[in-house]
Amino acid sequence: DAGVIQSPRHEVTEMGQEVTLRCKPISGHDYLFWYRQTMMRGLELLIYFNNNVPIDDSGMPEDRFSAKMPNASFSTLKIQPSEPRDSAVYFCASRTSGGKTYNEQFFGPGTRLTVL
Amino acid sequence: SQQGEEDPQALSIQEGENATMNCSYKTSINNLQWYRQNSGRGLVHLILIRSNEREKHSGRLRVTLDTSKKSSSLLITASRAADTASYFCATVGGSARQLTFGSGTQLTVLP
Repeated sequence: DAGVIQSPRHEVTEMGQEVTLRCKPISGHDYLFWYRQTMMRGLELLIYFNNNVPIDDSGMPEDRFSAKMPNASFSTLKIQPSEPRDSAVYFCASRTSGGKTYNEQFFGPGTRLTVL
Repeated sequence: SQQGEEDPQALSIQEGENATMNCSYKTSINNLQWYRQNSGRGLVHLILIRSNEREKHSGRLRVTLDTSKKSSSLLITASRAADTASYFCATVGGSARQLTFGSGTQLTVLP
């Protein structure tokens, strides 16, 4: 298995532009999580899905942020319009609800977003 | 928001020495996990300890949990330069087993 795949790995954009981050979870995993990591705030959970349904989006900072999971193998996190304070590393993680590793989350390599 | 704090924030040791990192948390938990993050990479799961366990071992890793003090420690024995990374504790709660991360300890192992 290739693990959790995220794209792009790096994104540089200008303030006001729309940004879309993509994630492909591990096949068979039914939970998907989006995190943001900054020096100031550390690792924060933004939103998570179970079986493609958003369960808790209380961590999404503003209405400018939205996330979708149209199918079990794909999720997007969109920021529109982007602002410099959105600059961070965004991680996607997935896990299964059964089996030996059900407590363990598997993280993607992250997308480093810079908003100028 | 972060569940708790890790101590120390940074730790620098010589290869072969032991490294101990501590984690405090605030709420009741199902289990507590430790993750490692190499520079520029995603997090990798290291070890999990359940709320009814007090100590667990995995290779060179030893984790303790004191639920009365809401604290955990991670010991890495006989450290290697390749252990250089950030280490995060994560408490687990809620029906979806959401992770809430601590602030992390940056470990540097000098060759």
